[in-house]
Amino acid sequence: GQQVMQIPQYQHVQEGEDFTTYCNSSTTLSNIQWYKQRPGGHPVFLIQLVKSGEVKKQKRLTFQFGEAKKNSSLHITATQTTDVGTYFCAGIGSNDYKLSFGAGTTVTVRA
Amino acid sequence: GAVVSQHPSWVICKSGTSVKIECRSLDFQATTMFWYRQFPKQSLMLMATSNEGSKATYEQGVEKDKFLINHASLTLSTLTVTSAHPEDSSFYICSAVRDYTDTQYFGPGTRLTVL
Repeated sequence: GQQVMQIPQYQHVQEGEDFTTYCNSSTTLSNIQWYKQRPGGHPVFLIQLVKSGEVKKQKRLTFQFGEAKKNSSLHITATQTTDVGTYFCAGIGSNDYKLSFGAGTTVTVRA
Repeated sequence: GAVVSQHPSWVICKSGTSVKIECRSLDFQATTMFWYRQFPKQSLMLMATSNEGSKATYEQGVEKDKFLINHASLTLSTLTVTSAHPEDSSFYICSAVRDYTDTQYFGPGTRLTVL
């Protein structure tokens, strides 16, 4: 199956700043999903990207799927303390139905 | 809609005992349920895929005799950790899908501590 790599592992952000987390797959994906997990909680689905080059926005979050459908990014603008948590990307391969999770980016925010 | 529950939310047991964790889809029928394990500060690792009425498919390195999965109905899957040991202490999370094109809906997780 595919391997999904995610960087950075940790992101310490000043409140109000922007940051980006990146995801790369070893193989072409049929779709990629993003989840957020708060400390002590379970992953919560944020969004799914399916089309090559797709860009979706949710308020201050911008999700992008690469043209080759092997990479993705999540960009958060004007970071707030509510953005604290670990953001996981997870991909499904072209001939598969199983989610492969990236290592996650753990975000902390300093006020 | 698409709510998944897990029971118990946490459990502490003695080494050598067995623990059963339930995963239920509350408002939809789940053709497939997945079981993940997450160690502290790590990502989710898929343990097995469970289809209603058939044997679970285990990922490489996961002992099927130690982690027994039963998917008795379209709304319930159970994971039994047999003869638990301290190294089995982890956060176990299930997810459920209506069909293969669906996104996975995650349960709240069960934190297992084996003393």
